[in-house]
Amino acid sequence: DQQVKQNSPSLSVQEGRISILNCDYTNSMFDYFLWYKKYPAEGPTFLISISSIKDKNEDGRFTVFLNKSAKHLSLHIVPSQPGDSAVYFCAASQGGSEKLVFGKGTKLTVNP
Amino acid sequence: AAGVIQSPRHLIKEKRETATLKCYPIPRHDTVYWYQQGPGQDPQFLISFYEKMQSDKGSIPDRFSAQQFSDYHSELNMSSLELGDSALYFCASSSRQRTDSSYEQYFGPGTRLTVT
Repeated sequence: DQQVKQNSPSLSVQEGRISILNCDYTNSMFDYFLWYKKYPAEGPTFLISISSIKDKNEDGRFTVFLNKSAKHLSLHIVPSQPGDSAVYFCAASQGGSEKLVFGKGTKLTVNP
Repeated sequence: AAGVIQSPRHLIKEKRETATLKCYPIPRHDTVYWYQQGPGQDPQFLISFYEKMQSDKGSIPDRFSAQQFSDYHSELNMSSLELGDSALYFCASSSRQRTDSSYEQYFGPGTRLTVT
C-alpha cells in the first residue's frame, strides 16, 4: 500500500520554464512533507520541506505547496535549469514517528 | 559543510555471508536512520537510533541488526545474506535540537551491496 504517490514517473521541460512535480498521500496523519533530489550513484539531497500548518514554503527557485484537504503537494521550480535534471522524491512523516515514507520518484529532465 | 559518510561505498558478498555497513552522521547530529532502496524502488525505512537507543523500527529483517555507538556512528550488520538483499543502503542523520527542522534528514551517498 503506497501511502505517498508520485503518479508521473517522468517529466520533461524546457530550460527557463516552470517544472511542477506532484505528490499525493493517503495517510491523513502525515504532518511534515519533504522533497529530495537524487542524482545517480548519490544519496538523496534535501531540497525543501513544509509543515502541515502551512500551505506554502519558498526557498529561492523552489516552492512547495500543500493542499491538506486534497492530500496533495507540489514542488515548483522556476526557472528550471539543466542542472535540475534528477529524480525528485516526495517524502512524508507522521508526528512522533521518525521514519520518512517516500514516493517512487519523478525523473525530471530539463532540456537546454 | 560536512556530510554523512558511509563506508564502504560498494560491497560484494556471497549468499549466506555477513556484511557490516558503517555510517558517520553529520557532526552534532544525534539521530541516525537506515534505509534500503531496491532497484527502481523508493527508499524503505529500516531502523533508527537516537542517542544510542533504538527509536523506531521499520521493515528490517530479523537477520539484520544495528546499533549506534557513543560517538554517534552507526553500524548495520547483515547476516545470512540473500540475493534479495542486493540494494542501495542509505544512512541519514538529523538533529532533534532544532525543532523547526528536526524532521529533515540528510542522507549519505549510500552503500551498494551486491549479493551473488
